[in-house]
Amino acid sequence: SAVISQKPSRDICQRGTSLTIQCQVDSQVTMMFWYRQQPGQSLTLIATANQGSEATYESGFVIDKFPISRPNLTFSTLTVSNMSPEDSSIYLCSVRMENTIYFGEGSWLTVV
Amino acid sequence: GQQLNQSPQSMFIQEGEDVSMNCTSSSIFNTWLWYKQDPGEGPVLLIALYKAGELTSNGRLTAQFGTTRKDSFLNISASIPSDVGIYFCAGPENTGNQFYFGTGTSLTVIP
Repeated sequence: SAVISQKPSRDICQRGTSLTIQCQVDSQVTMMFWYRQQPGQSLTLIATANQGSEATYESGFVIDKFPISRPNLTFSTLTVSNMSPEDSSIYLCSVRMENTIYFGEGSWLTVV
Repeated sequence: GQQLNQSPQSMFIQEGEDVSMNCTSSSIFNTWLWYKQDPGEGPVLLIALYKAGELTSNGRLTAQFGTTRKDSFLNISASIPSDVGIYFCAGPENTGNQFYFGTGTSLTVIP
């Protein structure tokens, strides 16, 4: 398994601002993912964070809104840009190891 | 994308009762994962299944990989209050690089 740390764990953000979420893994992993979970909903994949190249985004998510960095095999960031109340969600970093997905504890963002 | 349907959507049970929930997909999977999510936290892996027909236990939890490879089941025996949470199933898309998640089953245990 992997130990995945996310920062911040919670934040209240002003409409129109941007926030960067950090994800640190305790071991080197090839595949890192960012998910969004809106209140009362299941998890939706935002993008796959590729080390050394641009992230691969799922339908409905774009780089301008959710820029992602992956500078090395243990770290990634997700920025939520120009936030609106609809962006209030839990954002989850995850890694794939041995055909299993492990999650960080999540970053709970509330946009006011 | 892939659709994973979980049933039931929510359950309210008395402490000590057994719980059964299931997950179905529209296509064949070679892996099924079951997670539990507490409020405000990330999902925690409970059980991973990798072979059709496989039955795996983790304490009071038992999960089965359906023989059709399009479904999976999770059972909890003798429920306790700390079993409260949302249970998600997950399975890989075709390349196996990413996982789809089910709609979730919300469990409430009444002491």
